[in-house]
Amino acid sequence: QSALTQPPSASGSPGQSVTISCTGTSSDVGGYNYVSWYQQHPGKAPRLMIYEVTKRPSGVPDRFSGSKSGNTASLTVSGLQAEDEADYYCNSYAGNNNLVFGGGTKLTVL
Amino acid sequence: EVQLVESGGGLVQPGGSLRLSCAASGFTFSSYAMTWARQAPGKGLEWVSGISPSGGTTYYADSVKGRFSISRDNTKNTLYLQMNSLRAEDTAMYYCAKWAVNWAYDYWGQGTLVTVSS
Repeated sequence: QSALTQPPSASGSPGQSVTISCTGTSSDVGGYNYVSWYQQHPGKAPRLMIYEVTKRPSGVPDRFSGSKSGNTASLTVSGLQAEDEADYYCNSYAGNNNLVFGGGTKLTVL
Repeated sequence: EVQLVESGGGLVQPGGSLRLSCAASGFTFSSYAMTWARQAPGKGLEWVSGISPSGGTTYYADSVKGRFSISRDNTKNTLYLQMNSLRAEDTAMYYCAKWAVNWAYDYWGQGTLVTVSS
């Protein structure tokens, strides 16, 4: 159950787009379309932003989108806003009733 | 409104035990799988354990297997995590969360802090 690999940090100016990657293996990200992304502001609980690679829960702005290619999933935030500054975590089903998270990416809005 | 409220955290010595609770409201608790995840201070999220809606199926991360036990009481709308043989590396904020679909969790509690230290 190795953690998925995310860049520790990402940044962009208001209005720009930023993409955060999440790299796993064929046993997790590459093997299932069960990748989710969570947003976490300091001192707060995680919030589900994307599930099943590309789907957005009700209430999540369409500025947030997800994709996957091979063993790497990605979260793109378009039209960056100040409130998007947070930590972002990916996770993936890893088979045998196991779930694995990425190490997290701190998104800074410049 | 869906609410998940964790309790039971605190300071415990290495080798000790603690039972966490998660009181659920605002949804049909018995219809949803639930999970526990944790976050060490300043670190990332780590999945800990999950349980099926009936409680008949449970699953654990390798890091806690054999030491932690997840359970639920659907008559009390409450999820539990029994933690035994605690280690310093178990120090973390523990969150419970409600299954949405296919290993995604749509509601999370605010967490309860567990500190393992002598």
